[in-house]
Amino acid sequence: DAGVIQSPRHEVTEMGQEVTLRCKPISGHNSLFWYRQTMMRGLELLIYFNNNVPIDDSGMPEDRFSAKMPNASFSTLKIQPSEPRDSAVYFCASSSGGSVITEAFFGQGTRLTVV
Amino acid sequence: GESVGLHLPTLSVQEGDNSIINCAYSNSASDYFIWYKQESGKGPQFIIDIRSNMDKRQGQRVTVLLNKTVKHLSLQIAATQPGDSAVYFCAENIKRRALTFGSGTRLQVQP
Repeated sequence: DAGVIQSPRHEVTEMGQEVTLRCKPISGHNSLFWYRQTMMRGLELLIYFNNNVPIDDSGMPEDRFSAKMPNASFSTLKIQPSEPRDSAVYFCASSSGGSVITEAFFGQGTRLTVV
Repeated sequence: GESVGLHLPTLSVQEGDNSIINCAYSNSASDYFIWYKQESGKGPQFIIDIRSNMDKRQGQRVTVLLNKTVKHLSLQIAATQPGDSAVYFCAENIKRRALTFGSGTRLQVQP
């Protein structure tokens, strides 16, 4: 298996533009997570899907952020409009854990720079 | 709010020595505690976990110790190698929730 696949690896965009990050989880995994990593705030959970259904989106910063999981093999995180403070590395992770998740498999991340 | 944190931001050790990375937690309701390793330019990678009703768990060259009395977690790496250089995160899991990560400790292995 190729692992969790994220695209793009790097994204540079101007403030106000829409940004869409993509994730393909590991086949067979039923949980998917979006995390954001910055120097100041570390790794923050944005949203958690289980069986394609959002379970916990309390980490989504504001209405500018939205995430979808239309099927078991694809998820998107959209920021509209983007702001410089959204600059970070965004990670997608998946897991086959049941009610208790300890091992999540992370993608390589998307480094987003908003100028 | 409840969070997981680390004592030391950077730890420098000599190759071949043992490393000990520490973590303090505040949430007594956590079911599991987990250690992740993140190498430069990569996503975090699972190392080992320990259930909250255990005190110690060993893996390959790694041992995790849990002291619930003082809410302290540690990761011991035996015979540290250059490939162990990375940032190490402790994380916690409460049933049916996603992982919550601490702030990380950078381990530097000197040749």
